[in-house]
Amino acid sequence: GAGVSQSPSNKVTEKGKDVELRCDPISGHTALYWYRQSLGQGLEFLIYFQGNSAPDKSGLPSDRFSAERTGGSVSTLTIQRTQQEDSAVYLCASSNRGAGADNEQFFGPGTRLTVL
Amino acid sequence: SQQGEEDPQALSIQEGENATMNCSYKTSINNLQWYRQNSGRGLVHLILIRSNEREKHSGRLRVTLDTSKKSSSLLITASRAADTASYFCAVTKTSGSRLTFGEGTQLTVNP
Repeated sequence: GAGVSQSPSNKVTEKGKDVELRCDPISGHTALYWYRQSLGQGLEFLIYFQGNSAPDKSGLPSDRFSAERTGGSVSTLTIQRTQQEDSAVYLCASSNRGAGADNEQFFGPGTRLTVL
Repeated sequence: SQQGEEDPQALSIQEGENATMNCSYKTSINNLQWYRQNSGRGLVHLILIRSNEREKHSGRLRVTLDTSKKSSSLLITASRAADTASYFCAVTKTSGSRLTFGEGTQLTVNP
């Protein structure tokens, strides 16, 4: 497709379970970002991948959160032992420019995670 | 502390009126961007203004940037009901490339 896609669009899980969220960026975009948005709030940065560089993980809230990007394209965000406070919309974005350049980001539709 | 803080938090206007939203930030920036979000899902990029620019236009949108006051404004002229959405400003700090978003302004345009 032409845009950023994310799956699943909705995920309901039980507290303590692990979840995996997937992001397919726009083809050729070297930068990929994950954000979290709680209800009625702004976006909270989680992690940033740029090409083959080491990812910027400074926004991950705990060691239960991890992400990888395989082959410089698809990314998976994994949340282990989910907690109720993890409930939020998880947004992925990609950009064809990195540091020091105009970095307009293109967002996917998000995954709404609900932890019961 | 939160970068890219918008005000007002909520704005309700009549169709045809202009809507102005403001954004303040705390650090030196490379650029400032405005995004729109419908129904709490994906964001759409509206406009980017670089730190050496003062004003930019795109259709019914006008963005200003005052780096001395560390503030920006987004003006939507002749608003339409379809403009109803949340609007976020986001800054790219000069030291990095990731965006830092504010809490957003919820705009409601009444028909």
